[in-house]
This record gives sequence, C-alpha cells and structure tokens, in this order.
Amino acid sequence: DAGVTQSPTHLIKTRGQQVTLRCSPKSGHDTVSWYQQALGQGPQFIFQYYEEEERQRGNFPDRFSGHQFPNYSSELNVNALLLGDSALYLCASSSLSLPSGRATGELFFGEGSRLTVL
Amino acid sequence: AQSVTQLGSHVSVSEGALVLLRCNYSSSVPPYLFWYVQYPNQGLQLLLKYTSAATLVKGINGFEAEFKKSETSFHLTKPSAHMSDAAEYFCAVTRNTGGFKTIFGAGTRLFVKA
Repeated sequence: DAGVTQSPTHLIKTRGQQVTLRCSPKSGHDTVSWYQQALGQGPQFIFQYYEEEERQRGNFPDRFSGHQFPNYSSELNVNALLLGDSALYLCASSSLSLPSGRATGELFFGEGSRLTVL
Repeated sequence: AQSVTQLGSHVSVSEGALVLLRCNYSSSVPPYLFWYVQYPNQGLQLLLKYTSAATLVKGINGFEAEFKKSETSFHLTKPSAHMSDAAEYFCAVTRNTGGFKTIFGAGTRLFVKA
C-alpha cells in the first residue's frame, strides 16, 4: 500500500522564478492538504483540496495556488518566489468521504519537498 | 479560531526517565486533537489522536495523552524514554467544518541522554 509520495525531494530556485510541487495521496484517500514548514517551525497550513476544489485556505498570498486532479493527486504552484519561501513543503492526505462521524482529519504525510530559493 | 501552544521548544530527559510534552489548545467547539512525531528529514507521523471518545488516549511506541477540557490541555507522556524517542513532536488541533483545517503547534524537540 503506497503511502503519500511527493516530488521532487529537493530543488533550488532563484528569486522571481516559479515552482511546481507534486503529490500523490495514500491509496483510498480523496483529500490533499499542503503545508509549509520553515526551519525550526511547525507546519503552516496553505490549503486543502477535495473533489478538485480548494476547500480551505490558510494565510498565504495568491502566489500560492494549487490543483487537484481526478485521480486525487495534487500540485502546489508558487509564483514569483521570494527568499522567504525557502522551506520544506509537506503534502498530507486524508479522507472526507467517510460515513458521518468517522472522518477525523487524521493526516498522512509525505516526506516533503525541500525548496531553497537563492 | 483554533490555536495550539506547546510549552518548551526543547525538552531534555535521561534514558528511562518520564517524558512530558505540554500542549494547550484553543477552540470554540470540541476539537479533535493529535500528536505527530517528525524524525530528521522525514514527514510527520501520527502518534495518537483524541476524537471525543476516551479522554486518555494511547498511541504508538508507548506514548499516551490525556484530554482535559477544563484545562484545555492535551499533554503527551511516556513513562520511560528511549534513545529512539529523540525527535520533534507536534501537537495539532482540528474540527470538522465541512473539511478539516489542521493547525499545528510550533513543536517541541525531545533530546534523550544516555
């Protein structure tokens, strides 16, 4: 049973560039959440996708956008990169399509994509 | 709005000693609460969760946590620390609002001394 997979694992970009990160959720999961984890900090919620729509969003600018595909996989796009965007980007999958009362928001994480902006 | 406060960014214990990592939450409605662990260069892994059933929750690797509504706390404990417990621990809170927006604390790094 494949867990959450993310690609690429590491990448280096320069200021002003754009980046796309990819995530495949755990088998059976339909919801993907993206988090930014700066060094020494807790994960910060970026947004959540379910049924190919953004359902929840954290306090991140519009430079951060995403997409979910029919197979539940997801992309995170960041435009006009800033030095402060350097972080570990974590994808987490879960399932909202459970009988009422069973969904608890438990998250399964990938190992992350480490982005360095120079 | 939900929030999580973890007291102590670093905790150091001796091998075999009690582990206590503190977490307080803020939520306007009964929340779901979680503890996750992160080993170096890895993603987060669920340790345990509270979802309004028993207030004392047992997780993996001998960890447990007690939900105390009156204190808005969800502290993580383990009776006897092992060297392999050295990692970063995150407390998290969420609630079902048609989706789950899980908020994490800043984390507590646990050091275990031989």
